[in-house]
Amino acid sequence: KNQVEQSPQSLIILEGKNCTLQCNYTVSPFSNLRWYKQDTGRGPVSLTIMTFSENTKSNGRYTATLDADTKQSSLHITASQLSDSASYICVVGGGSNYKLTFGKGTLLTVNP
Amino acid sequence: NAGVTQTPKFQVLKTGQSMTLQCAQDMNHNSMYWYRQDPGMGLRLIYYSASEGTTDKGEVPNGYNVSRLNKREFSLRLESAAPSQTSVYFCASSSPGTGGYSNQPQHFGDGTRLSIL
Repeated sequence: KNQVEQSPQSLIILEGKNCTLQCNYTVSPFSNLRWYKQDTGRGPVSLTIMTFSENTKSNGRYTATLDADTKQSSLHITASQLSDSASYICVVGGGSNYKLTFGKGTLLTVNP
Repeated sequence: NAGVTQTPKFQVLKTGQSMTLQCAQDMNHNSMYWYRQDPGMGLRLIYYSASEGTTDKGEVPNGYNVSRLNKREFSLRLESAAPSQTSVYFCASSSPGTGGYSNQPQHFGDGTRLSIL
């Protein structure tokens, strides 16, 4: 069964600090790995998409890494801001855009 | 540019009632999706439509029907609502793009929060 596991479940950091969120997956076949940000009461918004051949991709202060050999990904947030408070969801695509396996998300709280 | 618009935003139903959730996108995307999001679980695909005129079941289709009315609109219908269908429902759309379906992001609406008593 395809699975995406995220850790930690929740994280509290101070504004200005960096943090790293983890994602482990067992999805086959593998096509791509996505990170989404979901603000409370809103729909998910795409941050990055990485294919098998990509091992890092950045979007502003967000940097995602992918190790397809160990089936692990991380999302690093630099110089966190209050607006970074959200749930971050790791999603693995396999074969087509229709076959996506979603993780449960990491709830990040950034405090002043 | 509105993106993906879902209506209504909130709804309370009684068990056995029916209703239709509406979704429209203005990005000229071919593919559209319906998901549900429940506490402690990842999003799960209910139905999807690869293109106008086609629909297919996802992971949790039981109790739901869909209609791809045209390229812009994709509706989700609950014929006889059950308490187990209490959830947040998200509609999404995507474009195939030059890289094929698998490399394109899905664009989500802000959801319909549905409670069934």
